[in-house]
Amino acid sequence: EVVMTQSPAILSVSPGEGATLSCRASQSVSSNLAWYQQKPGQAPRLLIYATSTRATGIPVRFSGSGSGTDFTLTISSLQSEDFALYFCQQYNNWPSFGPGTKVEIK
Amino acid sequence: QVQLQESGPGLVKPSQTLSLTCAVSGASITSGSSPWNWLRQSAEKGLVWIGRIYSGGTTTYNPSLKSRVTMTLDKSKNQVSLKLTSVTAADTAVYYCARAGGGLIMPFFDPWGQGTLVTVSS
Repeated sequence: EVVMTQSPAILSVSPGEGATLSCRASQSVSSNLAWYQQKPGQAPRLLIYATSTRATGIPVRFSGSGSGTDFTLTISSLQSEDFALYFCQQYNNWPSFGPGTKVEIK
Repeated sequence: QVQLQESGPGLVKPSQTLSLTCAVSGASITSGSSPWNWLRQSAEKGLVWIGRIYSGGTTTYNPSLKSRVTMTLDKSKNQVSLKLTSVTAADTAVYYCARAGGGLIMPFFDPWGQGTLVTVSS
């Protein structure tokens, strides 16, 4: 089983600032890495797949990078609607998710 | 666009079988190459993939749940079903159905249903 970890657990950011979220896999997952956003009471929404490809309708302020075991989601300028929980997921093996990073208003 | 809606009992007794359905609109569950998936989310375990079923009925289950899981297709209702036997409190979670958004061997997920909370308690 590939164990996914995310850091930090909580990220406090002011609106308009940028945010960098990290995700690490316990073994290489190649570029088979996705990111999701989840708001309270809602299902996760796909943001990024294949490490850096934005899903349909996702704003360009969201970008992904990395390979192998270390990945990053960058939000260039946080809007009010971006304060949420973010998960990474690997799909190189049996799918597994990280525990999430909560992005909160500073 | 594809939309998914989960439904089923919100309360299940320990040792009984959890049964959920996922109504799909905007696509036929018996066509296409993207499998239909079930996942669950709890505070204790986070997001966990339960398994998937292809349009032809082929299934793949998470090894940790395989002995208790069955997924089926109801073609007449365009629904995907999940059964989980011998439930315990550890199976309390929000259950989601989701379509595979892609992935060569294993999937990522898009879109998701809104989820349904299932509590296991006597």
